[in-house]
Amino acid sequence: GAVVSQHPSWVICKSGTSVKIECRSLDFQATTMFWYRQFPKQSLMLMATSNEGSKATYEQGVEKDKFLINHASLTLSTLTVTSAHPEDSSFYICSASRGPPYEQYFGPGTRLTVT
Amino acid sequence: GQSLEQPSEVTAVEGAIVQINCTYQTSGFYGLSWYQQHDGGAPTFLSYNALDGLEETGRFSSFLSRSDSYGYLLLQELQMKDSASYFCAVGMDSNYQLIWGAGTKLIIKP
Repeated sequence: GAVVSQHPSWVICKSGTSVKIECRSLDFQATTMFWYRQFPKQSLMLMATSNEGSKATYEQGVEKDKFLINHASLTLSTLTVTSAHPEDSSFYICSASRGPPYEQYFGPGTRLTVT
Repeated sequence: GQSLEQPSEVTAVEGAIVQINCTYQTSGFYGLSWYQQHDGGAPTFLSYNALDGLEETGRFSSFLSRSDSYGYLLLQELQMKDSASYFCAVGMDSNYQLIWGAGTKLIIKP
């Protein structure tokens, strides 16, 4: 159990458009969901933490108006990259937690390329 | 600030044993986790230590010493498929947020 899906797995979009990424916990209810971005050969950078029904908590330096997070249910969170620019190109990964211990289940990631 | 230190790269031979160390300085501590990430893929959970001591799961073991703010991941009987990056991460608070190390790239030679 504890499978997390992420859609789409890759997307190419033009500069100025918006892209929505979905993260779903398929066989469990996620207490908390996390959104990360990762640049090549670097560690994961936490962007925001979201709990169902409440506003996401963004990490310092992450623009909440640019990276909109909606956590509509215990199994679904979405990240929308608004007015995307080439510098937003990255690997975006979501994870979900269903409680202690500190095990986060990761989605397969979404590779975003903005041209 | 928060920091986790782990070696950037470790090289080992197939069939051998390798240890990846992690030291941390964080304002909170609920536990130390280890994750494996293959190139192009997402991280997968390996182990979690909340208390001092050794946790064993098959070929992988993880150790924690809270007094030393130190832990390690031990991989035995290395296989080529173990070539990946390994991240240590500290659970900071009751929201299960993790602070991540920079990752250790494990290179395995035949």
